[in-house]
Amino acid sequence: EVQLVESGGGLVQPGGSLRLSCAASGFTFSSYWMSWVRQAPGKGLEWVTNIKVDASEKYYVDSVKGRFTISRDNAKNSLYLQMNSLRAEDTAVYYCARDLRVSSGYYLDYWGQGTLVTVSS
Amino acid sequence: DIQMTQSPSTLSASVGDRVTITCRASQTISTWLAWYQQKPGKAPKLLISKASSLESGVPSRFSGSGSGTEFTLTISSLQPDDFATYYCQQYNSYSITFGQGTRLEIK
Repeated sequence: EVQLVESGGGLVQPGGSLRLSCAASGFTFSSYWMSWVRQAPGKGLEWVTNIKVDASEKYYVDSVKGRFTISRDNAKNSLYLQMNSLRAEDTAVYYCARDLRVSSGYYLDYWGQGTLVTVSS
Repeated sequence: DIQMTQSPSTLSASVGDRVTITCRASQTISTWLAWYQQKPGKAPKLLISKASSLESGVPSRFSGSGSGTEFTLTISSLQPDDFATYYCQQYNSYSITFGQGTRLEIK
């Protein structure tokens, strides 16, 4: 059974940092691209970033470029999101998700339960 | 980026009703469209990929159709478990985008 379990969320002041983790199990983690998707309170879904199987390619939504860094450790079956210079508008539930890639793009076939990040003074 | 627009934003219906949710893309996306269901406090769940391909374990009362710029998600006979928010997502490009969601509520 595929499982994705996020951790590391919490309350942080504007300008602060936080590191999210996602522990994967039930599939060959090193064979899949992985994404982070966020959802602000009461709002819709926003893709944030993803990473290639060997971490050689990483992509970000414009609003987090230069502030967030995605990484992975295939030996530990883990995905990470380092978030720096946090802003109030980064407040959201952050989901870890598995990419299912096709010729045109990708969709997200498994999601974790999410971890809440609140940026507030 | 490709914009995805869902309608309606909220839909009130009763158990047993047939309901349809529409998703429109700002440019043609062939059939590169997925649908997700999200219940309050839970993660999204993939229902349909490639516009009409039902994921394993998803009840057959769910169906998807469409191509190009207009797509629909239909639930043939609403069950109590189906009241949730539904999102479409295009994957015609590697810059994926979601619709704003359709909340399906009990009438």
